[in-house]
Amino acid sequence: QQQVRQSPQSLTVWEGETAILNCSYENSAFDYFPWYQQFPGEGPALLISILSVSDKKEDGRFTIFFNKREKKLSLHIADSQPGDSATYFCAASWGSSGSWQLIFGSGTQLTVMP
Amino acid sequence: DPKIIQKPKYLVAVTGSEKILICEQYLGHNAMYWYRQSAKKPLEFMFSYSYQKLMDNQTASSRFQPQSSKKNHLDLQITALKPDDSATYFCASSQDATEVFFGKGTRLTVV
Repeated sequence: QQQVRQSPQSLTVWEGETAILNCSYENSAFDYFPWYQQFPGEGPALLISILSVSDKKEDGRFTIFFNKREKKLSLHIADSQPGDSATYFCAASWGSSGSWQLIFGSGTQLTVMP
Repeated sequence: DPKIIQKPKYLVAVTGSEKILICEQYLGHNAMYWYRQSAKKPLEFMFSYSYQKLMDNQTASSRFQPQSSKKNHLDLQITALKPDDSATYFCASSQDATEVFFGKGTRLTVV
């Protein structure tokens, strides 16, 4: 079963718009949620992460909104740039418990049109 | 400079053969991992090691054997290769259990 779900599968926005990528999870024990960015032929790169004790985390143009009650989170990319075109993965783990595995969603392929 | 080095970048193997995927990390991390990514499935956790000790194994098949000769090395031996093993294999590392960093991957094709 898919423990971490992402939507949409693909998203196209214009340069300067805010892209919104969604993620939901099933296991209420998850408490650490990183987002990774992956370009073709490269490995996933850690972009931003949040712990379940917070409801928002910002880093420059990237913001995570987290709703623990609904088991949902979203990544907002403000002022999207063509260089942001990549696949974005939401992941989850029991970080505070010293869990050793990340559970990944299937990704959102983002295209930013100039 | 890449801090997690995976070799080779591309690998073609014959069904039934054995291959070793190499991984070294120069981040000073105490934990190392293997993940697999294929067209059919999202990034999938395989193994984790901490201080050269196996912490978690989510790979059903014993054909996949990690090998840690040094703290910053975690190779992956795959025996009796099958076409279904075709995927990109990512090595990763972290200091403790969060902030996991990935290498560039080894793309394995089994023919």
